[in-house]
Amino acid sequence: QLQLQESGPGLVKPSETLSLTCTVSGGSISSNTHYWGWIRQAPGKGLEWIGSIYYSGTTYYNPSLKSRVTISVDTSKNQLSLKLSSMTAADTALYYCARLRQYQLRGDCFDYWGQGTLVTVSS
Amino acid sequence: DIQMTQSPSSLSASVGDRVTITCRTSQNINNFLNWYHQKPGKAPKLLIYAASSLQGGVPSRFSGSGSGTDFTLTISSLQPEDFATYYCQQSYNIPQTFGQGTKVEIK
Repeated sequence: QLQLQESGPGLVKPSETLSLTCTVSGGSISSNTHYWGWIRQAPGKGLEWIGSIYYSGTTYYNPSLKSRVTISVDTSKNQLSLKLSSMTAADTALYYCARLRQYQLRGDCFDYWGQGTLVTVSS
Repeated sequence: DIQMTQSPSSLSASVGDRVTITCRTSQNINNFLNWYHQKPGKAPKLLIYAASSLQGGVPSRFSGSGSGTDFTLTISSLQPEDFATYYCQQSYNIPQTFGQGTKVEIK
């Protein structure tokens, strides 16, 4: 059974860079049939897609965050990572990593999710 | 960005009720529409993908329909474990976007 587990600091200071890791077990992160993404959820709010990375290394980012986001994969460790720079209070959220499954050549869906990790931005 | 509008924002229903949630998109997304539900303190769970395809392991009381800009999630007979917040999501364009959620509560 595929499992995803996010890890990282629970508290980040304003202006700092957030670094999160998602460890994948029960499957390979280098599969060419799936890819990976990050989604966040501010307290009491809805879901916001941050970005995705394909097995080719191609990344897609939410334009609202693009200047601050980097998503990468470490295949040797079977890990996905997220870096988000210039953090502000508005970035306080529960951060999820998830696997994407493609369908119909263009569509995809998040079929496996980590449990999420809460990141608070505060001095 | 493609705007996703779910309705209602919340609803109260009883066990055994038929429940329908709608999702309208600001432009045609063909059938690139997925549905999730999220229970408090848990990650979202995929229910329906490609507008009408049931994710493996999801009970058959869940069904989805629609194409273009109007989509529907139906729960044929609401069960206690179905009380949750439901989200639609489009994967037609970048950025992928989610609806604001529909909270299904116990009447």
